[in-house]
Order: sequence, then structure tokens, then C-alpha cells
Amino acid sequence: QVQLQESGPGLVKPSETLSLTCTVSGGSVSRYYWSWLRQSPGKGLESIGFIYFTGNTNYSPSLKSRVTISIDTSKNQFSLKLTSVTAADTAIYYCATDGRVAAGVLDYWGQGIPVTVSS
Amino acid sequence: EIVMTQSVATLSVSPGERATVSCRASRGVSINLAWYQQKPGQAPRLLIYDASTRATGIPARFSGSGSGTEFTLTISGLQPEDFALYYCQQYNEWPLYTFGQGTKLEIK
Repeated sequence: QVQLQESGPGLVKPSETLSLTCTVSGGSVSRYYWSWLRQSPGKGLESIGFIYFTGNTNYSPSLKSRVTISIDTSKNQFSLKLTSVTAADTAIYYCATDGRVAAGVLDYWGQGIPVTVSS
Repeated sequence: EIVMTQSVATLSVSPGERATVSCRASRGVSINLAWYQQKPGQAPRLLIYDASTRATGIPARFSGSGSGTEFTLTISGLQPEDFALYYCQQYNEWPLYTFGQGTKLEIK
């Protein structure tokens, strides 16, 4: 059974960079796609982007200018960086697997990590 | 962007009854539609993909139907643990997938 666990700071100051890591156990990041999503009361569930083990990435058009997703196959982890954050980036951030059953189907999720943007 | 609409925000149903959750796509998505269940403080859990295929370990009381723009999630014989939030998601335009706003299934 694949398990994912998000980690990182729960509080980020405005204009700074949000950095999160997802650690994968019970499976290898050297297969499938690895996604980041977020959920906020105002915007619901929103895709941020994903990475393939080769390093190929795809980002949401609305966040593309501020997002970087990277992968470390040696640590079985992948990471999210979101720059120049504002209060609008306050949300629960999830990592998830994509593509194990079909491209776009998210079958394993981390428990989520709440992130607040505030000074 | 395809907009997914779950027009019923809250659905009140009695335990043991059948619940029907609806989802509409702003344009056709074929059968590239998934349903997720989310309980308070938990991540979404995949229930159904390809509109009608149950994910591993999902009980048979959960079923999905539809294609194109109209989709339905049916839960037969509601159990106490089924009262939760339900989201639909289209992945026809992967990697640009989108979710509905969710339907809360509450005890009547």
C-alpha cells in the first residue's frame, strides 16, 4: 500500500516561498506521476501540478509563474515550491499519486498539511 | 477549462436509504470522470473512476453512471460512515483536470 506524507512549515510570511516535501513509502517515485493539490474554502480542490520521475513537469496555468515541483528518487520524495505567496495561498496542501489507474485519477493521497500565509 | 457543477450543496438522506449525487460538466468529458469521498480532517478518497469503475476496496453499494456531461454517484443502503462530502472530477482534459464544488451528504 502506497503511503504519502507531507511535511514543511505550517506558517509562511507574505511574499516568501512556501516549501513542502512529500515522502513516499510502500512504492517508488520512479513510476507514475506525483501531484500537488490544495484545498481552500474559497476555491475548493485545485490542482497545482505534477512531476514524472524523469523530471518532466506540468503546472496549473494560474500558478505556473510561481511553482516549481522537483523529485528526488534517491530519497523517494518530491517537493513543491511556491514563491511570492499571499493570503490567497492559505490552504490545505496535499500530495497524491496520478496515473496508476488512469492519467488524472488520484488514487493515493497524503493526509494534507495546512499552510497559513500570514505575517 | 471544463467547469464541473454539483448543483446540490447538501443532500439529506436517512440511513439505509439510497442517495444520488449529481455532477454536470460544462462540456463533454466522455467517461473520464471520478468520484471522491472526503471526511472531516481527512484527504479525499478515490471511490469511482472511468465514471463507473469502483476503486480497489470500495464497497459494492457505491456505483457510478453517466457519460458526456451528466454523471451520478449512487450509494445504496446508506451506512453511518457514508455521511461525508463527495466530489466529482473530470480528467478528460488531463493534465488540466477540475473538480466540482462538492456535495455534503448529511443524515436526515
